[in-house]
Amino acid sequence: DIVMTQSPDSLAVSLGERATINCKSSQSVLYSSNNRNHLTWYQQRPGQPPKLLISWASTRESGVPDRFSGSGSGTDFTLTISSLQAEDVAVYYCQQHFTTPLTFGGGTKVEIK
Amino acid sequence: QVQLVQSGTEIKKPGSSVKVSCKASGGTFSSYAISWVRQAPGRGLEWIGGIIPFFATADYAQKFQGRVTITAYESTTTAYMELNNLKSEDTAFYYCARGNLRDAYTSLNYWGQGTLVTVSS
Repeated sequence: DIVMTQSPDSLAVSLGERATINCKSSQSVLYSSNNRNHLTWYQQRPGQPPKLLISWASTRESGVPDRFSGSGSGTDFTLTISSLQAEDVAVYYCQQHFTTPLTFGGGTKVEIK
Repeated sequence: QVQLVQSGTEIKKPGSSVKVSCKASGGTFSSYAISWVRQAPGRGLEWIGGIIPFFATADYAQKFQGRVTITAYESTTTAYMELNNLKSEDTAFYYCARGNLRDAYTSLNYWGQGTLVTVSS
């Protein structure tokens, strides 16, 4: 199984400041046949199911604010919130779909400092 | 718009079984993989397994192999996840989810509302 490791477990950021979350996979999730990273980021607010933010490591879903961005390739990925807003308080997960079983990172809790 | 509506809260005894349903509407049912993901209280997300209805062959995480059965019926656009020999550690929210690419397990674009399964004597 591909192990997904997120860091940090939690972070507190002031409103308007940058938040950076890292995700590392135990093997590359870059698929050579389509040259795409099979890596997704989700946001989960309390009491709700996860919401897809970014697919293919860097493609923002429709309606997701542009303060959210994804980067990285191979085994190392980053989710950046460029200017934290109150509504961004949530837990963020990365997930690989390079192969089954689909696996998730342990989550990063983002709070307001 | 794709919607996934799950069955309601379940309270089960240890050793028993639970079967959770996921009714899909909007879009084509048969070609898109339905995944089942669970989340224990205060914990992270865990993929249980999935099925592409057209192929009707489920794929399970090894941890659950032998204890879970995932099925899907095109006639009713409904998927099911049955978990047997329940333990207290199985207490969790169980979600069904679906992606946007045909015939593959991908990002999970659409999620059901979740079904709370509580296992307690």
